[in-house]
Parts: sequence; structure tokens; C-alpha cells
Amino acid sequence: NAGVTQTPKFQVLKTGQSMTLQCAQDMNHNSMYWYRQDPGMGLRLIYYSASEGTTDKGEVPNGYNVSRLNKREFSLRLESAAPSQTSVYFCASSEVKLYGYTFGSGTRLTVV
Amino acid sequence: KNEVEQSPQNLTAQEGEFITINCSYSVGISALHWLQQHPGGGIVSLFMLSSGKKKHGRLIATINIQEKHSSLHITASHPRDSAVYICAVSTGANSKLTFGKGITLSVRP
Repeated sequence: NAGVTQTPKFQVLKTGQSMTLQCAQDMNHNSMYWYRQDPGMGLRLIYYSASEGTTDKGEVPNGYNVSRLNKREFSLRLESAAPSQTSVYFCASSEVKLYGYTFGSGTRLTVV
Repeated sequence: KNEVEQSPQNLTAQEGEFITINCSYSVGISALHWLQQHPGGGIVSLFMLSSGKKKHGRLIATINIQEKHSSLHITASHPRDSAVYICAVSTGANSKLTFGKGITLSVRP
């Protein structure tokens, strides 16, 4: 099925460990995003990529890095996980000026 | 002050009722989005609006650009409509979204 594929769905990390969240879309969208969702707060933008080869910081980029590997794939890396990064992470893609956003199914990350 | 405000915060309705969820925003926008998130589930895009009104099945979304306000209406509500409804706006030439906190809707049978 067309859409945004995000892996893993669940992950538990110890403080200081690193991991990479993977995201791929097959809709030929130029723009891709990483958001985090925390209780009582709206989704917040971590990083985005307006097109292949470009990435920019969002509202809450500290502690994260991203790679736009090609037009399909946009990964999010936590180099040294902290408990404050416990959250649900969503990858999304869109095409500017066209309708809608497509979200991945989310990754529930717990840092202990 | 949040750029996107949603009201009410939580909403409970009986099956069959007409439901309205509101969204106000404080910035100039290029588009407004309504999203749906079921408990423990992913996020689905319902509508993207830049003016007027859109309808899909039992869902209707309206926007008033002058008043910086949008509403999502659900007609003949059903328990499967129980979800969090999120309003988000995009500004400028790119499509980054700023989100409201979402409204939790519970429809009782």
C-alpha cells in the first residue's frame, strides 16, 4: 500500500544509547518531516527536509540529527538518548501546494 | 499564547448527535488541516482547507479566513468517530505545520 513506512513501532533505550528511526515514502513527495508527540502538547517539529539533499531544524531539534538519504528516505538519529526524548515520533511527507499530509504509524520510544 | 487553539478540550456526545469542533489561529496561513488520531493509532489527514467548505461523507470542514477560525462538523455521530481531532496550520511557501493540542471526542452508543 502507498504511504509512509516508519520503523520500529516500539523501542526501549537506556540513557546514553543511540538509535536511528527509519522512514520511507513511496508517493514521490518532496517534503518530509519528523515530529514528536507528547501528552498535553501538540505535535512539534523536530526536523524537516523540503527536498532531497536539504534538511532544516524545526522547533525542537536539540539531541537529534537527520539524514535525507534520497527522495524516499528520511531518518532520525538519537546519538545519546535522554529520558526527555521519551515520546511518540511521527514521520510525515507532503507535496507543497497539493492536498494533505501522510503520516507514518508512529514510533513509541521510551528512554530509561 | 499558542498560535493554534482548539475548543472544547474534551467532548462527549451521544450517538447520532451533530458535533462541532472549533479551531482558532492567530497567524496568516496558507492552509488549515484537520487530522484524526484514534487511540494508540496513527494520524490521518481529513481535510486541507484554504477557503470555504469541504465535505467528505459525514464530515464537513469550514474556514473563515477573515475571522481566523475553522470548524469541523460531524453529522450523525457514531462511536467509531471517537478519536482525537487535531487542527494544524501551514504558513508561508513551505508546508511545515503548527499544531493545536487536539480535542478528544468520545461518542457513546
